[in-house]
Amino acid sequence: DVQLLESGGGLLQPGGSLRLSCAASGFTFSNYAMTWVRQAPGKGLEWVSDIGGGGDTYYADSVKGRFTISRDNSKNTLYLQMLSLRAEDTAVYYCAKESYFDGSGYFDYWGQGTLVTVSS
Amino acid sequence: QLVLTQSPSASASLGASVKLTCTLSSGHSSYAIAWHQQQPEKGPRYLMKLNSDGSHSKGDGIPDRFSGSSSGAERYLTISSLQSEDEADYYCQTWGTGIHVFGTGTKVTVL
Repeated sequence: DVQLLESGGGLLQPGGSLRLSCAASGFTFSNYAMTWVRQAPGKGLEWVSDIGGGGDTYYADSVKGRFTISRDNSKNTLYLQMLSLRAEDTAVYYCAKESYFDGSGYFDYWGQGTLVTVSS
Repeated sequence: QLVLTQSPSASASLGASVKLTCTLSSGHSSYAIAWHQQQPEKGPRYLMKLNSDGSHSKGDGIPDRFSGSSSGAERYLTISSLQSEDEADYYCQTWGTGIHVFGTGTKVTVL
């Protein structure tokens, strides 16, 4: 079975940094693009960033220049490095597996999420 | 601009059917979408991919009560024989090169 397990969330002050991880199992990790989606409290889903199986990366305008997505195929792990965090980055962050190698597809498996709270 | 429009809420009685709509923005009527379900306090769950011709492929373990259809720029999710566990938020999602877009979600209430 496909499993995605996020970790690394926490409470931090504005301007701080954090790295999220997503441990994947149950599929050939290197063959698929992976993505991060977030959900602010009481709000809908917002795509954040994705990375193709070949390493191509894409970002939402709201995080471009502050967040960096990466992957370690040897560890079956996806990462999201977040810098210069703002209050509006407060959200549950989900990782999801994409349906294709190159990132042009839908999300067919989701993790349970990790909460990031940015507050002074 | 790639945008998905959903109604904020829908409701139907236990055992009845409900049909949700997701509308693609102008110029994007040929796009496929995906439907996702989010039950209260849980992560999202993939339901199905829905093509412009109405063909669809469901995720693992998704009951036959969930079906999809298309007409022009509209993509539909029909839930038949509503169960209490179907009370959830439903999001449509689409994608382009380097971008993914979600609709604002429809909250389904089972009466």
